[in-house]
Amino acid sequence: EDQVTQSPEALRLQEGESSSLNCSYTVSGLRGLFWYRQDPGKGPEFLFTLYSAGEEKEKERLKATLTKKESFLHITAPKPEDSATYLCAVQPNTGNQFYFGTGTSLTVIP
Amino acid sequence: DAMVIQNPRYQVTQFGKPVTLSCSQTLNHNVMYWYQQKSSQAPKLLFHYYDKDFNNEADTPDNFQSRRPNTSFCFLDIRSPGLGDAAMYLCATSRERGAIESNQPQHFGDGTRLSIL
Repeated sequence: EDQVTQSPEALRLQEGESSSLNCSYTVSGLRGLFWYRQDPGKGPEFLFTLYSAGEEKEKERLKATLTKKESFLHITAPKPEDSATYLCAVQPNTGNQFYFGTGTSLTVIP
Repeated sequence: DAMVIQNPRYQVTQFGKPVTLSCSQTLNHNVMYWYQQKSSQAPKLLFHYYDKDFNNEADTPDNFQSRRPNTSFCFLDIRSPGLGDAAMYLCATSRERGAIESNQPQHFGDGTRLSIL
């Protein structure tokens, strides 16, 4: 069964304190893994797509990496405006479905 | 800007009173999705359309139906809402289902928050 697990559920960081969020997945053939940012009361906003193990993508203070079993979202020197829920989703090779994890709620304290 | 627009942003209905949520897109994407998201939970896929081809998830309640009259619009109909249907409903689109382009990410609207009295 296709499954996505994110950890931790919640993370509080001091401004400038780097950390990583984890997304573990089980899927029968990975077509793509996606990271989204979701602010309260808003829809998810696309951040990255990763297709194959070893791939990395970067955007400002965020860097996403992918292995055959998990993905990490590394946040370097976070700022308060990085506070949000970060969602991971996978798309299997068959069908159009995207399976989401429950997200990591990140709070960055000034 | 091309985008996914959901109306209304907030909807209040009475227990058992039918309600319709709407979604429009200017991206000209072939695939449109409806998700239900409850507080602190993952978005749960209800169904999706590939063009006019409707695909229902196995565990989507019969109470939920959808219509896609054209490429740009998609509707979610809840025939007899119960208290458990109170949630954020998210509409999303993606461009294509082809072997090369299938890794296109989904583009989300800002959702409709549904409350049941």
